[in-house]
Amino acid sequence: QVQLVQSGDEVKKPGSSVKVSCRTSGSTSSSYTLSWVRQAPGQGLEWMGRIIPSLEVINYAQKFQGRVTINADKLTTLAYMELSSLTSEDTAVYYCARGSSHDPYFGIDVWGQGTTVTVSS
Amino acid sequence: DIQMTHFPPSLSASVGDSVNITCRASQTPNNYLHWYQQKPGKAPQLLIYAVDNLHSGVPSRFSGSGSGTDFTLTISSLQPEDFATYYCQQTYGFPWTFGLGTRVEIK
Repeated sequence: QVQLVQSGDEVKKPGSSVKVSCRTSGSTSSSYTLSWVRQAPGQGLEWMGRIIPSLEVINYAQKFQGRVTINADKLTTLAYMELSSLTSEDTAVYYCARGSSHDPYFGIDVWGQGTTVTVSS
Repeated sequence: DIQMTHFPPSLSASVGDSVNITCRASQTPNNYLHWYQQKPGKAPQLLIYAVDNLHSGVPSRFSGSGSGTDFTLTISSLQPEDFATYYCQQTYGFPWTFGLGTRVEIK
């Protein structure tokens, strides 16, 4: 059974950066897509970007372009999302989420537990 | 961007009721349309992928339908554990987008 385990909660100052990690366990497949989705308090889900590690393909939502970096280490099954120039509007729960195929036709079927990032002076 | 709009934003229903949740896309997602359930404090869970395909382990009372720009999630006999927020998502065009969700509450 595939599981995603994320790093712990963070408190950051405005203007700083945060880096969240996501480790995959229980899978030997290389054919997957790893997305990052965030959810501000009381709000809906917002897709930030995705990576296909085996193809080294990365797509970002235009909203976060230039401020977010997603990468993954194929050997260690670790993935990372770094968000810079933080403001209070970036306070949210950040999820890594995996689609078990390169093709997004199959949706996102495994989610991490979420990492709460609080931006406060 | 493909905008996803839920109807209704919330609803109240009783255990045993049949419930329909609608999601409308601003342009066709070409069947790359999925449904998720989220309970408070928990990560979302995939229910339906590609319009009408039940994800492994999801109870058969959940079903999806639709085409073009209009899609529906049906819960045929609401159970106590089904009270949650439901989101549609398209993964056809970047950025992948979610609707704002439909909250299903106990009447």
